Amino acid sequence: AQSVTQLDSHVSVSEGTPVLLRCNYSSSYSPSLFWYVQHPNKGLQLLLKYTSAATLVKGINGFEAEFKKSETSFHLTKPSAHMSDAAEYFCVVSEGSRGFKTIFGAGTRLFVKA
Amino acid sequence: NAGVTQTPKFRVLKTGQSMTLLCAQDMNHEYMYWYRQDPGMGLRLIHYSVGEGTTAKGEVPDGYNVSRLKKQNFLLGLESAAPSQTSVYFCASSYGVGQYFGPGTRLTVT
Repeated sequence: AQSVTQLDSHVSVSEGTPVLLRCNYSSSYSPSLFWYVQHPNKGLQLLLKYTSAATLVKGINGFEAEFKKSETSFHLTKPSAHMSDAAEYFCVVSEGSRGFKTIFGAGTRLFVKA
Repeated sequence: NAGVTQTPKFRVLKTGQSMTLLCAQDMNHEYMYWYRQDPGMGLRLIHYSVGEGTTAKGEVPDGYNVSRLKKQNFLLGLESAAPSQTSVYFCASSYGVGQYFGPGTRLTVT
């Protein structure tokens, strides 16, 4: 069985400071891992994905995530937060490429202070 | 390309009423999904389809039915709405790894 845990329900940072959103997963197989972002009253947008290639994955808008198998983690980072980054972020684990064995984390809401 | 579109965007139903949510994608994706999003619970898979004419149950299928008569469309039906089905519903489609999401439908059942 697979599961995903986002360790913080809320994260607050000041504009220009680093962002760290934490995600741990468990999976019986070699999983695919994703981060999605959801702005208020919008659908989900894919930020980045890991599919067993390079362990450091770069995504859109300056975000990146590192797959650490030994720690079963896939934390999302950004060197410098922007006000437009304020949103909810979802860590997602999927076994295989078909999507129907996809589990979403509960989400982390990111607040960015001016 | 419009991507994934959903209609309607908002709907209010009374308990016991029925309705159908429509999802359409113009990316020729084989796989389509319906999720519901509730506060603090992320997204949960209701039903999915791996191709035209096929559907399967996800994590929370009770109270919902789906149909995929055309590859580009995936319909979600509520036969007898209940207040517990108040939620935001998202449709998604995919071809390989990673899903593309529609903007969502906010449904309130009173």
